Amino acid sequence: AQSVAQPEDQVNVAEGNPLTVKCTYSVSGNPYLFWYVQYPNRGLQFLLKYITGDNLVKGSYGFEAEFNKSQTSFHLKKPSALVSDSALYFCAVRAHNAGNMLTFGGGTRLMVKP
Amino acid sequence: ETGVTQTPRHLVMGMTNKKSLKCEQHLGHNAMYWYKQSAKKPLELMFVYSLEERVENNSVPSRFSPECPNSSHLFLHLHTLQPEDSALYLCASSLKLGDWDNEQFFGPGTRLTVL
Repeated sequence: AQSVAQPEDQVNVAEGNPLTVKCTYSVSGNPYLFWYVQYPNRGLQFLLKYITGDNLVKGSYGFEAEFNKSQTSFHLKKPSALVSDSALYFCAVRAHNAGNMLTFGGGTRLMVKP
Repeated sequence: ETGVTQTPRHLVMGMTNKKSLKCEQHLGHNAMYWYKQSAKKPLELMFVYSLEERVENNSVPSRFSPECPNSSHLFLHLHTLQPEDSALYLCASSLKLGDWDNEQFFGPGTRLTVL
């Protein structure tokens, strides 16, 4: 079975400060890892993914994530937060040969205050 | 916009009503998905279609009935729902099922309220 944990329901950050949204996963074998963002009254929007290769993945809107195999983590980061980054963020994982299931974490609400 | 549209955006229905949710994608994708997003719960995969064939049904009650007439359209037929079925229903598509590194593209969702 595969699972994803996002330990923080909410993260509060001041505008201009760096932000981190945490994600840990559990799979058998090598993982495919994804981050999605959901703005109010919208569907999920793809941000970035790790498939293989460089552990630091860069995505949309200045976001990046670092794959850490030993810690089974894939934390989302941004050097300088914007108020417009306030949204709900979902981490998701799929293992090789795990069928069609993309398993999502429970989501973390990011609040960036001016 | 992601190229995936859903109608209606909001739906209120009684427990005895029959209604349908519609999803359309203009991305040329072969795989389509229905998800349920409830408050305080992780996103739940309901159904997966690949080239109009259902390949996944995650123990969804029979009061939810999907239909995929072609690779661009996906429906979710609703009948005799319960109040706990109230949620945001998201449709998604991806290029090809089996290419596990493909990201999914989501529609804006239908906010369903069952009275």
